[in-house]
Amino acid sequence: GDSVTQMEGPVTLSEEAFLTINCTYTATGYPSLFWYVQYPGEGLQLLLKATKADDKGSNKGFEATYRKETTSFHLEKGSVQVSDSAVYFCAQTTGTYKYIFGTGTRLKVLA
Amino acid sequence: GAVVSQHPSRVICKSGTSVKIECRSLDFQATTMFWYRQFPKQSLMLMATSNEGSKATYEQGVEKDKFLINHASLTLSTLTVTSAHPEDSSFYICSARVFGSLNTGELFFGEGSRLTVL
Repeated sequence: GDSVTQMEGPVTLSEEAFLTINCTYTATGYPSLFWYVQYPGEGLQLLLKATKADDKGSNKGFEATYRKETTSFHLEKGSVQVSDSAVYFCAQTTGTYKYIFGTGTRLKVLA
Repeated sequence: GAVVSQHPSRVICKSGTSVKIECRSLDFQATTMFWYRQFPKQSLMLMATSNEGSKATYEQGVEKDKFLINHASLTLSTLTVTSAHPEDSSFYICSARVFGSLNTGELFFGEGSRLTVL
């Protein structure tokens, strides 16, 4: 069945380091892909999205490219800040009402 | 963007009591809302899909008599945890899609409600 696989965390980086969080998916259709972020004690917020192959989603310095050939949607940021510390979820939907989320990757950025 | 508000954000109750959590779409009509449960350090588990004016659709393994969902209007869905027990303690999150969004529709999430059952 459809699924989303994320790299396990936690990921600990120093401020201004480069971030990559891997995400791969399996889908029978052509999904839209999302990254959501959850700050401590809060709900999830959409960070970025891509709706078709080769689309690049970007927001707040984060970006991810929809790679159909590798079924991936890796999240990257060139220079992380302490305020980026949160849990990041990769997700997909194929147009039904159901979303499939990855297990989440906790990021901790140290000053 | 669309705003979804959840209330209460935190609730502590005694075992055996019932707790109601509200989820409101503030600036759009949500014909469908989703209730998730999140365990510590784990992903979101979809509990049920709440449809305005009709019965909720529950995921496999979720007790519908335990987790009562009512979606009486286009802007409000409620989740009632009945006869709560300590194992029901969790973070409950609701979400909604803007009506008409299909394959590219994003989910808008409430702030979440942390339930602690003593």
